[in-house]
Amino acid sequence: QKEVEQNSGPLSVPEGAIASLNCTYSDRGSQSFFWYRQYSGKSPELIMFIYSNGDKEDGRFTAQLNKASQYVSLLIRDSQPSDSATYLCAVNGGKTSYDKVIFGPGTSLSVIP
Amino acid sequence: DTEVTQTPKHLVMGMTNKKSLKCEQHMGHRAMYWYKQKAKKPPELMFVYSYEKLSINESVPSRFSPECPNSSLLNLHLHALQPEDSALYLCASSQDEKKRTYEQYFGPGTRLTVT
Repeated sequence: QKEVEQNSGPLSVPEGAIASLNCTYSDRGSQSFFWYRQYSGKSPELIMFIYSNGDKEDGRFTAQLNKASQYVSLLIRDSQPSDSATYLCAVNGGKTSYDKVIFGPGTSLSVIP
Repeated sequence: DTEVTQTPKHLVMGMTNKKSLKCEQHMGHRAMYWYKQKAKKPPELMFVYSYEKLSINESVPSRFSPECPNSSLLNLHLHALQPEDSALYLCASSQDEKKRTYEQYFGPGTRLTVT
């Protein structure tokens, strides 16, 4: 089992719709959870982080964490063409300690005008 | 300020050259990282420095040599690289112990081409 898995893409949504990105992780002791956005040829940009169970909202982005199910998601409301990018889920803590951040394979999102 | 800087932005080197990549952060983070990223793949961890000491080496070939001169600087020395080492090299930092936060921030990367 891979340590961090993401729903396979590419994911296409129409402009204005909600994009839902999902991530599961295997280390039950993981403590910190991150979502990065990466445009082609650019470095990853941290857009959301969440440490506690529940929802965390920041503008059009909502991160949801369920530690019992080992599941974290990212919702993007009112999707815009500029949201078209690869989204990377990452976790750290747990048995790997806070020194190591483990990335999922990424989900490519395409927002269609 | 969440800025991590990297130089150079682009680097072309031959297989017999020696070059260095540089990274700097002024966020007071205690951990600094080197990643390698190939197209359409997630970042692949190479090294982690924690409190200026090497804490993780992900079995990286010795032609890559990291160095952490102080808490704000991180270098990656390159020697006798292979064409397959061509990639985007990313520096990152994290862990503000005063604020007890663990978010990791990336620099813009160095695009390396080995000829």
